Amino acid sequence: QVQLAESGGGVVQPGRSLRLSCAASGFNFRNFGMHWVRQAPGKGLEWVAGIWYDGSNPYCADAVKGRFTISRDNSKNTVYLQMNSLRAEETAVYFCARDNGYCGNGVCYVRLDSWGQGTLVTVSS
Amino acid sequence: QSALTQPASVSGSPGQSITISCTGASSDIDDFNYVSWYQQHPGKAPKLLIYEVSNRPSGVSNRFSGSKSGNTASLTISGIQADDEADYYCNSHTLTNTPFLVFGGGTKLTVL
Repeated sequence: QVQLAESGGGVVQPGRSLRLSCAASGFNFRNFGMHWVRQAPGKGLEWVAGIWYDGSNPYCADAVKGRFTISRDNSKNTVYLQMNSLRAEETAVYFCARDNGYCGNGVCYVRLDSWGQGTLVTVSS
Repeated sequence: QSALTQPASVSGSPGQSITISCTGASSDIDDFNYVSWYQQHPGKAPKLLIYEVSNRPSGVSNRFSGSKSGNTASLTISGIQADDEADYYCNSHTLTNTPFLVFGGGTKLTVL
């Protein structure tokens, strides 16, 4: 059974850093791309970042580029989100999700078929 | 990236069918053949309902179906039930080897 468990959320002051982790189990982690998606209180879903199955080609939304970094450790079945220079408006539940899509001819097709329960990040002074 | 446009809310009585639309600007989404739909109950994680416009993952009820016309995708729920009351999000992405994902604003389904 696929399981994703986020951790590392909490209260942090504006401008500070936080690292989220997402531990995966129940599937061959090293075969799947992974993503982070966030949801501010009472708001919709917002994609944050993605990474290929082998850790190459990390990429992120323009809103967090230069401040957030996605990475993974396939030996630990874990994907991370390093968040620097956090802003109050980035208060949200952060979800990790498995990408069960595929790549071909230089294009990747995304399918987020399993999600964790999320971890709450509160950015406040 | 611009958001995909969904109605804020829809409603229906048990047993009825409802349809939720998702419209994207053609300049933002390279190919509207890669639309997914997610269901989210309050306080829960999203769940994949439909991928690549009309495909259902195993385990998803055949009451959920997807379609598209031009740059508008649609999710239809037939024979709605009380448990279908949730938020629904469409999603698509750019066609590159580092795909940028875009979500619609979400539609709240109320079962009357």
